[in-house]
Amino acid sequence: GAVVSQHPSWVICKSGTSVKIECRSLDFQATTMFWYRQFPKQSLMLMATSNEGSKATYEQGVEKDKFLINHASLTLSTLTVTSAHPEDSSFYICSLESGRGANTQYFGPGTRLTVL
Amino acid sequence: RKEVEQDPGPFNVPEGATVAFNCTYSNSASQSFFWYRQDCRKEPKLLMSVYSSGNEDGRFTAQLNRASQYISLLIRDSKLSDSATYLCVVIHNDYKLSFGAGTTVTVRA
Repeated sequence: GAVVSQHPSWVICKSGTSVKIECRSLDFQATTMFWYRQFPKQSLMLMATSNEGSKATYEQGVEKDKFLINHASLTLSTLTVTSAHPEDSSFYICSLESGRGANTQYFGPGTRLTVL
Repeated sequence: RKEVEQDPGPFNVPEGATVAFNCTYSNSASQSFFWYRQDCRKEPKLLMSVYSSGNEDGRFTAQLNRASQYISLLIRDSKLSDSATYLCVVIHNDYKLSFGAGTTVTVRA
């Protein structure tokens, strides 16, 4: 399957700071990447769909000005959590679709964000 | 009603036992179904797709019941390494994915 990396794997920051998370496709050119968030013991929730060269599509209830997404190339998408607050503490995971007929998604290893 | 629902468990089973659990989905137009495995604090990894006719991959068997709108996963001859959370994933006709919250399985020695 596709190889997806994320950086950083974990981050602790003070309330009010901004945090950038990178998602890279190492062996596959992804025109579309997905950003999910997972709170403890809950399911993954799609935040937004990141499209290369165009604006991201956000799910209902996700603030686009707070979660800035930039998909500047076929191998890199970034998610910036602006003015992070403790309630933004979560596990952020990116994924890309392999496009191999079964709509299989491959996930990055995730970034655990803790906002103090 | 949630789009995808799973029994959170945990299912605590001894090594060698068989464990099975279901996942129900609400959208009858759902197209594709998958089981993912997620270890603690790690990303989900694809375990297997679920086909209409049912399918098997080693000790894992997946079934789909469209009439009752559920899929199932059965694990035979459980190993300690099978301890994980199993996520049910459903793809709708608009190609969006919905995830269940996961079923936790703990296999004990």
